[in-house]
Amino acid sequence: QVQLVESGGGVVQPGRSLRLSCVASGFTFSSYGMHWVRQTPGKGLEWVTFISYDGSNEEYVDSVKGRFTISRDNSMNTVYLQMNSLRAEDTAVYYCAKSRGYTYGPEESFDYWGQGTLVSVSS
Amino acid sequence: DIQMTQSPSSLSASIGDRVTITCRASQGISNYLAWYQLKPGKVPKLLIYAASTLHSGVPSRFGGSGSGTDFTLTISSLQPEDFATYSCQNYNSAPITFGQGTRLEIK
Repeated sequence: QVQLVESGGGVVQPGRSLRLSCVASGFTFSSYGMHWVRQTPGKGLEWVTFISYDGSNEEYVDSVKGRFTISRDNSMNTVYLQMNSLRAEDTAVYYCAKSRGYTYGPEESFDYWGQGTLVSVSS
Repeated sequence: DIQMTQSPSSLSASIGDRVTITCRASQGISNYLAWYQLKPGKVPKLLIYAASTLHSGVPSRFGGSGSGTDFTLTISSLQPEDFATYSCQNYNSAPITFGQGTRLEIK
């Protein structure tokens, strides 16, 4: 069965960096785009970023452009989120999610999600 | 960016009730609309994609409709496991956006 397992969350000071990982299993990882989505109690779900099946196409929400970078290693079935210059408003549970279809862009629903990893940005 | 507005924001209902949640997009998104079920501490679940297509394994009491800007999620007969938060998603174009969520509670 499909599994997505995130790791790397934690407590970090403002301005510092953190890298999240998501290991996938149960499907042909190299055939699907992957997303990161975050959830906060006050704002609900917020899509953060997308990477295409081959890593050649990336998209970001405006609030993280220039600070966050998504990448993937298809040999390791892993997608990463490098988060730099972290702010208090980045505090959230971060989920990785799989695109449902074989689209090159992010325009697809998410058929499987991980359990999430908590990132807390605080001094 | 396309804004997604759900109503109501919360809803109380009883086992066996029929429930409808609505989602409105700030501009037309064709049928690029999905619905998710969220429970604390659990993995989010895709219920419906393409506005009306049931995801594999989702009970048939869930249904979706709509196109363009107005969409609905209907649960025909509430079961105990259905009490959760439901969120709509626009995936017509980046940035992908979600509604603020509808919390469904037991009356």
